[in-house]
Amino acid sequence: SQTIHQWPATLVQPVGSPLSLECTVEGTSNPNLYWYRQAAGRGLQLLFYSVGIGQISSEVPQNLSASRPQDRQFILSSKKLLLSDSGFYLCAWRPRLGNTEAFFGQGTRLTVV
Amino acid sequence: DQQVKQNSPSLSVQEGRISILNCDYTNSMFDYFLWYKKYPAEGPTFLISISSIKDKNEDGRFTVFLNKSAKHLSLHIVPSQPGDSAVYFCAASANDYKLSFGAGTTVTVRA
Repeated sequence: SQTIHQWPATLVQPVGSPLSLECTVEGTSNPNLYWYRQAAGRGLQLLFYSVGIGQISSEVPQNLSASRPQDRQFILSSKKLLLSDSGFYLCAWRPRLGNTEAFFGQGTRLTVV
Repeated sequence: DQQVKQNSPSLSVQEGRISILNCDYTNSMFDYFLWYKKYPAEGPTFLISISSIKDKNEDGRFTVFLNKSAKHLSLHIVPSQPGDSAVYFCAASANDYKLSFGAGTTVTVRA
C-alpha cells in the first residue's frame, strides 16, 4: 500500500532563518507531488506541484521554493522566512495517470516568530 | 482567482439530521470533483468523488450531487453523526495535474 511521510509535524522558526520541509512517498512510482498551505481560517492553497524529477511548477509568487531530487521525494524550502510564511503545510501525492483523488500527509505546523 | 468556492464557512446540524454542504465552481473545464474531510492538525482525507459524466454518486452516508449547468455540487451526509464534525473541502480537477480547493466549510454536529 502507498504511504506518505511528512516531517516535522511542528516547527517554530525565527524570521530570517532557512526552512526545509521534507515529504516522501512509498509504494508507488512516478507520482504527481504537491505542496499546499492552509493559512489560518483559509482554504488549501496550491503552492507547487511536480510531475517528475527536477520538474517544479509554481502556482503563486512567494518566498518559498520546491525541489524534487528523487522520484518520491519532495522538499519545500526557504532561504529566509517571513512572518507571513506561518501556516499549515501539506504534502500530497496523486497517481500520474487518470482522474483520482490526492492523498495527503499529516501536515507541518510552521510558526515563524 | 478562486475557481472553487464554498460560500458557507460554517454549518451546524443536529445529530441524526441531514448535512448539506454546497460548492460552486467557475472553470468549465473541471471534470472531476472531490470532497475531503479534515480534522485540526491533520491532513485532509478523501471522502467521495464524482466524474462530470455523472450527476450523483453515493457511498454509505455520503452522497455527492453534480449540476453541471449550474456549475454546482453538493455533499449530503445523512444521518449526521458527532464524528462528522470537521472541516469539509470541495476540490476540482480539469484532467490536468492540479487539484483546486475551496475555502472549506466547518461542520458542527450537535448532540
